[in-house]
Amino acid sequence: QTVVTQEPSFSVSPGGTVTLTCGLSSGSVSTSYYPSWYQQTPGQAPRTLIYSTNTRSSGVPDRFSGSILGNKAALTITGAQADDESDYYCVLYMGRAWVFGGGTKLTVL
Amino acid sequence: EVQLVESGGGLVKPGGSLRLSCAASGFTFSNAWMSWVRQAPGKGLEWVGRIKSKTDGGTTDYAAPVKGRFTISRDDSKNTLYLQMNSLKTEDTAVYYCTTLTAQAAFDIWGQGTMVTVSS
Repeated sequence: QTVVTQEPSFSVSPGGTVTLTCGLSSGSVSTSYYPSWYQQTPGQAPRTLIYSTNTRSSGVPDRFSGSILGNKAALTITGAQADDESDYYCVLYMGRAWVFGGGTKLTVL
Repeated sequence: EVQLVESGGGLVKPGGSLRLSCAASGFTFSNAWMSWVRQAPGKGLEWVGRIKSKTDGGTTDYAAPVKGRFTISRDDSKNTLYLQMNSLKTEDTAVYYCTTLTAQAAFDIWGQGTMVTVSS
């Protein structure tokens, strides 16, 4: 059973930088898993932020960036704003299936 | 405008069936790989299944919890994706989203979701 791990919660100050990570319970995340990231606010559908590790989806500001850091995928928000307060999900592609992480609740305060 | 609109959700008893629909517009649906993703109340996102375009074989894959009970299909003439859900369990209670899939295996366009409640 593949488990994708994310920090349950994180906080960042307005204007600050935060890096959320996406790991595997067993093994390392690489670009071969095509990691992607999604932002969701309560009651709304998810919004695609990053796909294929580091490609921003259309309309996503460049303060959102994706990368591989060590053995995990990472989402970095530079210059956090109040409306970045959301849940963030990563998902990894396993060949014929996708596995989501449990999500990170980001607080901006 | 690119859009996905789900419908068909509702209340159903355990063991019952329900069919969800997802109407697509603003893009060439027949070329799109499509997926369903669900979210139980207060929980995270969970991939349900995927269907390829007919030109790519039209094959389906499913997450383990729904395999054998759920079936994804498509009607390209109607630009509509379906999710047939049988033998429903209380743990299938969730908002169900349909999404497009990019060539880079990412969920791209999302619908607004439709709520399915399985309860006696």
